[in-house]
Amino acid sequence: DGGITQSPKYLFRKEGQNVTLSCEQNLNHDAMYWYRQDPGQGLRLIYYSQIVNDFQKGDIAEGYSVSREKKESFPLTVTSAQKNPTAFYLCASSIRGTGDTQYFGPGTRLTVL
Amino acid sequence: AQSVTQLGSHVSVSEGALVLLRCNYSSSVPPYLFWYVQYPNQGLQLLLKYTSAATLVKGINGFEAEFKKSETSFHLTKPSAHMSDAAEYFCAVKIQGAQKLVFGQGTRLTINP
Repeated sequence: DGGITQSPKYLFRKEGQNVTLSCEQNLNHDAMYWYRQDPGQGLRLIYYSQIVNDFQKGDIAEGYSVSREKKESFPLTVTSAQKNPTAFYLCASSIRGTGDTQYFGPGTRLTVL
Repeated sequence: AQSVTQLGSHVSVSEGALVLLRCNYSSSVPPYLFWYVQYPNQGLQLLLKYTSAATLVKGINGFEAEFKKSETSFHLTKPSAHMSDAAEYFCAVKIQGAQKLVFGQGTRLTINP
């Protein structure tokens, strides 16, 4: 079955530690996205990538980093510079095109202790 | 810049009653419009999308939405609510030529037995 996988489902980290969230898709989509979701605030775009080895900052990129070395994978690193990292993180992908639908993974809930 | 406003962060209806979730958008050019549904601790699932074809769009699970340019609205409706419709619903807009989706704040739908 084609789809988007995110791992792990739940993640705990101590303050001051970097952590990497995984996102993999087998839909052969060109574009991939990372969103952050907080209660009552909808989804906010962190980073997106339209093609391998290229990515752009979204609206809230500070404290995050990404890489896109393979078409299928778009990992997100939450660094210690992110002031309030506890949130639900969602990865999405789409065929590269302005009207194309974004399809979402199941999400990773990150809690900083 | 485009934006989305969902009127009502919480909506409660009785089982079998009409569901109406409101979404207004702001865009200087014809937009693409989407409705997504999110069940607790899961990713987003596409309900339906408008891409400038028919103004009345039918989606999954009996939902539909009507694009009204004069009112800049894209309200989501379902004639008869079911308990399984309880979830959070997000309206999103994307303008032509852009990769970014802009999400509304979300509306939590509760179904009363």
